[in-house]
Amino acid sequence: SQKIEQNSEALNIQEGKTATLTCNYTNYSPAYLQWYRQDPGRGPVFLLLIRENEKEKRKERLKVTFDTTLKQSLFHITASQPADSATYLCALYQAGTALIFGKGTTLSVSS
Amino acid sequence: DSGVTQTPKHLITATGQRVTLRCSPRSGDLSVYWYQQSLDQGLQFLIQYYNGEERAKGNILERFSAQQFPDLHSELNLSSLELGDSALYFCASSVGVSSEAFFGQGTRLTVV
Repeated sequence: SQKIEQNSEALNIQEGKTATLTCNYTNYSPAYLQWYRQDPGRGPVFLLLIRENEKEKRKERLKVTFDTTLKQSLFHITASQPADSATYLCALYQAGTALIFGKGTTLSVSS
Repeated sequence: DSGVTQTPKHLITATGQRVTLRCSPRSGDLSVYWYQQSLDQGLQFLIQYYNGEERAKGNILERFSAQQFPDLHSELNLSSLELGDSALYFCASSVGVSSEAFFGQGTRLTVV
């Protein structure tokens, strides 16, 4: 069956460290993968998109990698801050379907 | 503000009833998605429309239906409501069928 798995439900790190979140998928051939941030009770907010022919994408303190052989994307937040605390969702698009989301990883950054 | 408007923000209704959730997409966006989010299930894709036509269907129950109107706003109809239908319902819009999605603030449905 098709699955999108995000490495853990919760990740706790200290301010200033790098947070690394993992997204693995099975039985999909996504054209691209996206990452979103969701705060409690609010709608997800788009962060980054990476296409199948791209290895890495950066935006300010965010970096995403995409390995179609491993069927995995890694999402990094460098120099993390308490304001980065939120749930991060990966989503993939495959032709013939729509945007499908993983369950998310809740990141807590302590000062 | 994402530019996507959902109404109402909150809805409390009884089992067996029918409700309609409304979504106005961002100006210029042709694609509208509906998702259901409950505590233990994450964001579940229900249905997608593109320029008035159904584009993709997820695990949408037969009791649920949706449509996209000529002005591109969309409505999600939920009928014969059950306690388990209580959830946050999100609408999202995008320019194309596969580009980044912009989400509304959601409608919190409580079925009592």
